[in-house]
Amino acid sequence: DADVTQTPRNRITKTGKRIMLECSQTKGHDRMYWYRQDPGLGLRLIYYSFDVKDINKGEISDGYSVSRQAQAKFSLSLESAIPNQTALYFCATGGGQRTTHTQYFGPGTRLTVL
Amino acid sequence: AQSVSQHNHHVILSEAASLELGCNYSYGGTVNLFWYVQYPGQHLQLLLKYFSGDPLVKGIKGFEAEFIKSKFSFNLRKPSVQWSDTAEYFCAVTPLTGRRALTFGSGTRLQVQP
Repeated sequence: DADVTQTPRNRITKTGKRIMLECSQTKGHDRMYWYRQDPGLGLRLIYYSFDVKDINKGEISDGYSVSRQAQAKFSLSLESAIPNQTALYFCATGGGQRTTHTQYFGPGTRLTVL
Repeated sequence: AQSVSQHNHHVILSEAASLELGCNYSYGGTVNLFWYVQYPGQHLQLLLKYFSGDPLVKGIKGFEAEFIKSKFSFNLRKPSVQWSDTAEYFCAVTPLTGRRALTFGSGTRLQVQP
């Protein structure tokens, strides 16, 4: 079974719609992250959370919000989707001693905003 | 804030050729360094990491990387590539102080021709 799961895997939506992407992990990690991947730009950090009550903006948080419902769950919302939010979204987790800085990625959600 | 540069955006090699992908980072303090690989249609997987100690680190599938502190570099190498190494490769860095979020380079697409 996958340690980091994301739902949905693919989503097509229209401009102005509210979208939620969900991430769950069974690794027992405290830290969770949301990235978006765009061709030629690599991965950029949207939000990250070091525990349920510790949520931080990344470099491109505008237009996004997050919710850390539990240690194992971290959701990303697009309140009003726009076409330039079309991208591949990855959730990642990290935690532990020597693995604190190592992140483990989910399979990604491909989001298309028309 | 830290940044990561990967100067090779697209590399094409024949099987058995040697590989070296460049990675330079910008940060004044101590860092942890990573290489991740993304095979076509898959999520990111950790290839190797440097935390401390021997600056030459070995990863999975015959890859290695050398941390040269004076050059702020962490280049990835493989003596003989295979067609199955076709993928996108990302260098990433996180500082040992502060919030310790990963910063990724823009990625290098490697295409290995049989």
